[in-house]
Parts: sequence; structure tokens; C-alpha cells
Amino acid sequence: GAVVSQHPSWVICKSGTSVKIECRSLDFQATTMFWYRQFPKQSLMLMATSNEGSKATYEQGVEKDKFLINHASLTLSTLTVTSAHPEDSSFYICSGTGAEGGTETQYFGPGTRLLVL
Amino acid sequence: QKEVEQNSGPLSVPEGAIASLNCTYSDRVSQSFFWYRQYSGKSPELIMSIYSNGDKEDGRFTAQLNKASQYVSLLIRDSQPSDSATYLCAVHDSGSRLTFGEGTQLTVNP
Repeated sequence: GAVVSQHPSWVICKSGTSVKIECRSLDFQATTMFWYRQFPKQSLMLMATSNEGSKATYEQGVEKDKFLINHASLTLSTLTVTSAHPEDSSFYICSGTGAEGGTETQYFGPGTRLLVL
Repeated sequence: QKEVEQNSGPLSVPEGAIASLNCTYSDRVSQSFFWYRQYSGKSPELIMSIYSNGDKEDGRFTAQLNKASQYVSLLIRDSQPSDSATYLCAVHDSGSRLTFGEGTQLTVNP
């Protein structure tokens, strides 16, 4: 159980275009979803926390107008990278929280690798 | 001081040995602790969660937690080459967000 999917797994785009990444919890309802970014040889950096039906909470330094997050249902959250630039090239990973023994555990999607040319 | 610190790697052990991974955290109110394994180019995979002081065993993996010392560790017994990966220690904050350590890269040599 506790499977999270992401789509697409790979995306290459031109600078200035927008890219949408979908994150779905397949066998549980994720009231909270998280979006992370990981650069090579670095750990995961939390970008934003998304609760179903409400606005996302962004971490310091993350531009909310550039990284648009929508969490319209308990099984789907989307991240749109608007006007992408080469420095946005990274590994984007989402996670959803599910209760395990009464404590929320984060289950990660497989990630989306974005390359902006 | 970083919120979550892991022992610097990389760590290299021979096949069949015990690999010991350590992690300290700074927030005393943290109650939930996790170990994730991340293979190169892949997303993190949950290995163990631990919430109470003491040991928790799952197969070849044992997590140890000492809240007084703000220390959590992961032991991997009978290490296999397939265990070669980066291991991430993660701590829940009061808002259910996870704070990750930098990770320890483990190599198990056949």
C-alpha cells in the first residue's frame, strides 16, 4: 500500500515554457502533499506543503508565483513550473502523507526529472 | 548547527558486515523519526520509522532512538551489495514537515 505516482517521469522543455507535474496517491487519501526539489549530490529540499482545498504553504525562498501548486482532491496535487529557466532543472519529488499507527508517514513518488534547455 | 546531521560518508563495508549509520537532531520536541533509502537517480524509499526510545527491528534493519541524546541510528546486518545507496535520516517537525539530513552514501563491497 501507500503508493504515490508522478507524471511525467522525464520532461525536457525550452526556456520560457511552463511545465506541469502531477502527483497522485493511488491507494490512500493524502490530505497533505509535499513538493521537494533535489539537485545533484544534495539532499531533498522542501518547496511547499499542500493541503487539499487550500492554498499551499511555501518555504522561504521559493517563489509561489513561479511554482504553482494545486491540490484539488485528496488524491491529486499538481506543480506547475512557470516560465522555466535552466536553473530550474532539477529532480522534483512529491510525497503524500498517510497514517501509520496513528502517525503520519510520508510516501514519495518516483520523481520527475526536469531539464530546461 | 544543522537541524539534522548525519555521519559524514561515504561509508564502505564488506559484504556480510554490519553497516552503522548515525543521525543527530536539534529539535527536542521531535517525536517521529524515519530512515529512507535513495538509490542513485531514484526517489527516497521508506525503510524504517521509529517513535519510541529503544530499538526497532525489521529484518536486517534495526533503528535505535535515544531522545535524551537526540540521536537516532540505523544498523544494517549482513550487508548486501544491493544495500549500496544513500541513506537519509528524516525528522518530523511540529507541522508534520520532514527535515532531512544530507545523507550518508553507503557502498557494500562484494
